[in-house]
Amino acid sequence: DSGVTQTPKHLITATGQRVTLRCSPRSGDLSVYWYQQSLDQGLQFLIQYYNGEERAKGNILERFSAQQFPDLHSELNLSSLELGDSALYFCASSAQDRSSGNTIYFGEGSWLTVV
Amino acid sequence: LAKTTQPISMDSYEGQEVNITCSHNNIATNDYITWYQQFPSQGPRFIIQGYKTKVTNEVASLFIPADRKSSTLSLPRVSLSDTAVYYCLVESDRDDKIIFGKGTRLHILP
Repeated sequence: DSGVTQTPKHLITATGQRVTLRCSPRSGDLSVYWYQQSLDQGLQFLIQYYNGEERAKGNILERFSAQQFPDLHSELNLSSLELGDSALYFCASSAQDRSSGNTIYFGEGSWLTVV
Repeated sequence: LAKTTQPISMDSYEGQEVNITCSHNNIATNDYITWYQQFPSQGPRFIIQGYKTKVTNEVASLFIPADRKSSTLSLPRVSLSDTAVYYCLVESDRDDKIIFGKGTRLHILP
């Protein structure tokens, strides 16, 4: 158990809909990262927050948005869903903002299936 | 970001030592090298991290030559349960992003 909690574990929704994925970081961690992993694909970095502020952005679509709340939990909002958005979405957390010497801990992921 | 290159896949047998080498030619002075392991449908798990020479923990060893342009993850006496994807990352204090490459698919055979 990494200490990173993601909900829901599984989600099936229709095209055009909107979903919210939730992540609670490890106790004391200030950074939250979101990754997308499609079937047999690598981990695509989406976005990082540190203590409530956006720190880095990857290949995140405009239809996707995220935020980190004062209690440090984070939400990833996916809207106007398309079939290609079906993937495993991981949240990770770390204590620091900079990556060097840092260790990040991943949650078990949220499986999103768009039908 | 320092680009990393590692083999796409490797096969080995139970009980063998497995070495996976990663190239990172443009690693910078303050960059760290970190390896993660990922099983299917699970989040990556930290294995080991190092800056130079050799680091060993209960799971693996990490060998880093003096020029730091490559690193080798060594898994002693692998078992079937070590079948996974192994990612080599170079983490920089100049960049907040933690980018994963395609990793090495390690398949352990009985």
